[in-house]
Amino acid sequence: AQKVTQAQTEISVVEKEDVTLDCVYETRDTTYYLFWYKQPPSGELVFLIRRNSFDEQNEISGRYSWNFQKSTSSFNFTITASQVVDSAVYFCALDSGNTPLVFGKGTRLSVIA
Amino acid sequence: DADVTQTPRNRITKTGKRIMLECSQTKGHDRMYWYRQDPGLGLQLIYYSFDVKDINKGEISDGYSVSRQAQAKFSLSLESAIPNQTALYFCATAGGRVDTQYFGPGTRLTVL
Repeated sequence: AQKVTQAQTEISVVEKEDVTLDCVYETRDTTYYLFWYKQPPSGELVFLIRRNSFDEQNEISGRYSWNFQKSTSSFNFTITASQVVDSAVYFCALDSGNTPLVFGKGTRLSVIA
Repeated sequence: DADVTQTPRNRITKTGKRIMLECSQTKGHDRMYWYRQDPGLGLQLIYYSFDVKDINKGEISDGYSVSRQAQAKFSLSLESAIPNQTALYFCATAGGRVDTQYFGPGTRLTVL
């Protein structure tokens, strides 16, 4: 069965601190895709990144970076120099194509000025 | 204009009423999905459709039904609303298998 675990329910940091959101997944499929979505206080779900299981290169986009490690089944998300606008709930998700997209329960990040 | 729209954005209804939530998309995607979100539970899949003639139940389909009127439209109905269906409902679309799902703005439903 597919499963995504986001063990951190809530994280609070002071502005300009770096923060890492953890995501651990379980799947028996060899081909799969991992996603991160952001849900700001306004409620919409915003797509951040999609990564396939054959591409273990880390990715950086501005202050955001993602660390994919198949050996530990993790796809962690780091925000560098956090800002108040980063306050949101962040969801990690897994799709192998054999079952519908599976979401973790989310991590609520609060960035305090 | 938004690629995925949902109407209404907010709705308050009473127990026992029938209610329909609508989703439209201009992305040209074949696949459409309905999710509900409850605090602390993440997103749960209600129904999904891979094309107009292909509709599938998700993990929490009891008490819900859907209609795929066209490639661009996918409606969710609550035949007889109950208070524990109070939640935030999202529609999503995707172009194909394992493609990224893009979400609508959500409908906040309250059942009194």
